[in-house]
Formats: sequence, structure tokens, C-alpha cells
Amino acid sequence: QSVLTQPPSVSGAPGQRVTISCTGSSSNIGATYDVHWYQELPGTAPKLLIYANNHRPSGVPDRFSGSRSGTSASLAISGLQAEDEADYYCQSYDSLSGPVVFGGGTKLTVL
Amino acid sequence: QVQLQESGPGLVKPSQTLSLTCTVSGDPLTSGGYFWSWIRQHPGKGLEWIGYSYYSGTSYYHPSLKSRVAISVDTSKNEFSLKLTSVTAADTAVYFCASHRVDAGFDYWGRGTLVMVSS
Repeated sequence: QSVLTQPPSVSGAPGQRVTISCTGSSSNIGATYDVHWYQELPGTAPKLLIYANNHRPSGVPDRFSGSRSGTSASLAISGLQAEDEADYYCQSYDSLSGPVVFGGGTKLTVL
Repeated sequence: QVQLQESGPGLVKPSQTLSLTCTVSGDPLTSGGYFWSWIRQHPGKGLEWIGYSYYSGTSYYHPSLKSRVAISVDTSKNEFSLKLTSVTAADTAVYFCASHRVDAGFDYWGRGTLVMVSS
């Protein structure tokens, strides 16, 4: 059971906007610890997509954006493309479980 | 540009010790304020953080694994290592090495190496 809860799957058509939620608690996101997001394409290592809630590393398209509010965070992907089909993970710090906790992951399907 | 590369046996017998090494290239392991982690992914499952070590030797481990885990850093070889003792089939997974700075996420990852625990 992950400390951070993500929906198992989301889907959207090309060009659409989708959001992936990451729900935590007062010991992690609610305590204003930063949230990071990763994209894992099939057969490859995870790639940092968003760090510190809403910052994009160099090279990440601005179609990807992140936000945090209360005990939750969200990853939004606009202008959905076929190559966005991947697994997405959120990650944060938890004062009870340790310095690194991951969400269970969300599989994005592009219809 | 930092690059990470895992190495080690792909098959370990039950009850034995799993040992992996991550070689860091492109920058000294001691620079940049990085923490050096091991993360694993069971087949078809999500990511599980195992633990990290700082170049000074300070380490922190996942609470459920800390009795079996040791992560060490060798600054002379620019590499860090994972030892996981008393393995069972439940430790079969792809093991990634990765690095992160405080509040900045894991920005560098190795490609991952599959370790199977089987007799």
C-alpha cells in the first residue's frame, strides 16, 4: 500500500488534456514537502518530469505541468501525444515513512 | 552530464546476498550535494525506494528493508554499492541506481538491471 495514492489508469485522446492526481496526507504533501513526477516509458528507466511541485527540468516540454494543493498534487499533460503513453509516478518525503516515498503509479493510455 | 551504470549478478540464490554496484561517470561522486540511491521495481509493479547514501557515508534505508540493506560509497572508484542479505523470491526485481539532491527529485538514473532470486 503506497503512502501516496494515484489512480491506476487514465486515458485521453490525442490533443486532449489529462490530469493525474497524487493524494497524500499531513505527513507528506500536506506538510508542504515537495512533490516530484516521473515518466517511465516501456522498457526504460524513469525520467524526471517535474521537480519541486511545478518546475520542469531542461528539455521537458511545457505541455507538462505540476501543481500542489493541500494534501494532493497533480500532473497535467496538455496536447496529448501518442508518445506520452507511459507510466507516471509521484514522489515526495514522508515524516513517518522516510525521505523517499513513491505513489503506486498511473498508466496513461492515449486512445 | 552524469551517467550511472549498474553492474552485478543477474541471478542470486535464495538466502544469499545480492550485491550490485553503480558506477558514476561525468562528475565526481562527491560533488553537487547528491544523494546516491537504489530503487527497485518488481515485475509489473511500481517503484520502491531501497535507500541512499551520501558520499560522507551517511545512509538512510527504507524501514521495511533496513535490517537487510547496506549502501556504501567508494569515492576512489566513483561508485556506490548495494548489499541486500537473505534474499527471497520477493526480492526479484529490476534494480535502478539513481541520484538526487534535496527537494530536486531523482534527475539521474541508471538503465536498471534485472536480478532474479532463484535456486
